[in-house]
Amino acid sequence: TQLLEQSPQFLSIQEGENLTVYCNSSSVFSSLQWYRQEPGEGPVLLVTVVTGGEVKKLKRLTFQFGDARKDSSLHITAAQPGDTGLYLCAGGSMRFGAGTRLTVKP
Amino acid sequence: NAGVTQTPKFQVLKTGQSMTLQCAQDMNHNSMYWYRQDPGMGLRLIYYSASEGTTDKGEVPNGYNVSRLNKREFSLRLESAAPSQTSVYFCASSEAPSFPAALFTDTQYFGPGTRLTVL
Repeated sequence: TQLLEQSPQFLSIQEGENLTVYCNSSSVFSSLQWYRQEPGEGPVLLVTVVTGGEVKKLKRLTFQFGDARKDSSLHITAAQPGDTGLYLCAGGSMRFGAGTRLTVKP
Repeated sequence: NAGVTQTPKFQVLKTGQSMTLQCAQDMNHNSMYWYRQDPGMGLRLIYYSASEGTTDKGEVPNGYNVSRLNKREFSLRLESAAPSQTSVYFCASSEAPSFPAALFTDTQYFGPGTRLTVL
């Protein structure tokens, strides 16, 4: 069983702050995805990373896949209230982590 | 373009009642999925259909059945609802089969969810 652990579970910050959330596993993944879910809606894909050490940037969001392909991080620069949501990572066999619930206060 | 639609949006059942959750996609996707989402546990795969005419069990299939009616529609049935099935249910679709699971890069498109309460 490939388990994905996300940390922290909850994060509340002020607008303009930087933050990093993590997705870790004891198993190796061929690829890993990050989704964002807003209240009352389904998750929406942000990015897919497939190569160990890969870094992808999406505006203020930076995604990194660990060299060993067992972990990933999401860094947000200058967070905005619109970044508020549940951030989920997903790996092979359609397994999702429990998510990090981010709140960005104005 | 509606994407993935789910009905109903909310449902309350009594223990032992049955119901079917409906899902349809208009993106001509081959694969469709049913997940449940519970607090602190993320999304868990119930069943999936890699292509029209095929269905397979996911991580938590007990107490559920599915039907891939055609390429567009994938329904989830609870034959005898139990309080443990109280959850938010999401349907999703993707363009191509994701298996073998060693390589998973499909984008899944999710519906808005069905909030089910079993009393």
